Order: sequence, then C-alpha cells, then structure tokens
Amino acid sequence: EVQLVESGGGLVQPGGSLRLSCAASGFAFRTYRMHWVRQGPGKGLVWVSSVKGDGSSTDYADSVKGRFTISRDNAKNTLYLQMNSLRAEDTAVYYCARDGFDVWGQGTMVTVSS
Amino acid sequence: DVVMTQSPLSLPVTLGQPASISCRSSQSLVYSDGNTYLNWFQQRPGQSPRRLIYRVSNRDSGVPDRFSGSGSGTDFTLKISRVEAEDVGVYYCMQHTHWPKTFGQGTKLEIK
Repeated sequence: EVQLVESGGGLVQPGGSLRLSCAASGFAFRTYRMHWVRQGPGKGLVWVSSVKGDGSSTDYADSVKGRFTISRDNAKNTLYLQMNSLRAEDTAVYYCARDGFDVWGQGTMVTVSS
Repeated sequence: DVVMTQSPLSLPVTLGQPASISCRSSQSLVYSDGNTYLNWFQQRPGQSPRRLIYRVSNRDSGVPDRFSGSGSGTDFTLKISRVEAEDVGVYYCMQHTHWPKTFGQGTKLEIK
C-alpha cells in the first residue's frame, strides 16, 4: 500500500526550530519529487517546498525561504522539513505529498506560540 | 505567482442535484510539453486532501464517475452530476504548471 506518514509536529515558541519527517512506503520513493504543503487553522492549502527525487534541486515558497530547509534520505525512504526561526503565522497542519499530488500523508500539526 | 480564483466559495446543494465549481487562473496553465497541470482535490472534514481529477479531466482511480473536470487555458470547471451526502467538504483547484504551485481558495460544498 502506498503510504506517507508525517511526524515531528508540536508546540514551539516563536523563534524556535522543529524538524518534520515523512516516512514513505509502497512506492519507489527515490524516483519521485516530494512536496510539503501546509494548511493554517480554518484556512486553505499552501504549497511550501519541494525536492527532486535525487535531492539535487529544491524549491521554496517566498514565505519560508531562508528559514526552512527540505531534504530527503532515499536510503530511509524519508522526507524532512527543517523549520527554523518559526513565527506564529507558520502555525498549520503540514502535509507531505508525492509529486502529482496523488498521495498525501495524514498531516502533522505545528503550533508556534509562547 | 499564478493566482487561482474559485467561485463560488460557498455552495449549498440539494441532494441529487448537480453542482459546479469554477476555477480561473491568472495565466495559461499549458506547459511546454503541451499538458495542462490542473488538479482538483476534495477535503472532507478532518481529513487530508484527496485528488479527484488530474490534468484537467482525468478522474483518479476510485473516484465516482459523477465527478468530471473540464476546461482549458485559464478556465476550468469541476462538476458533480448528482450530489450525495458524502460529497460534503471543501474543493480546491491547484495548478502545478508554474512555480510556485498554487491553490484556489477552496469551495465549501454543503447540503441544503
């Protein structure tokens, strides 16, 4: 079964850091570009970042550029999102998704608050 | 950035009646390979998004045939031929032709 499972969310103070993980199974992970998408409380979907299958190329939304870093470990079939200098407006459910957006994880909640 | 504009934002529908959602992009979504990368998603309450339609009009596996997508260039439509109770949720269009990928604001479908 094709599956994505996120973890690593939680409560963090403004200015703090958090690392999200997304464990993939059931498909050839290394051959797919992967994405992070977030959804603020009661809000819509916003694309955050993307990494190519071999990790050689990354892209970021302007709102997170310079603060977030996407990476992957193809040996572990795992996608990561390192989030630094967190702000209240980063509060959201973070989803990982396979390229094409046909497969999504269940999401992990990140709350930035003092 | 490509702006995706959906209408209506709220859609009350009687069970068994049709429903239609419009999505307009601020620029053409035709990619250099000739494909148009426009998806439609359904997000039921408390759930992750689920892709219904890819590349404008291709229905995903397991998606009921009452859902259909159409359009071209900058103007796209999702239609539900007969709304059922399980269709309640928020529907999003999304373009992944251009960077950054962008979503519409969402259309909330409810039963009248």
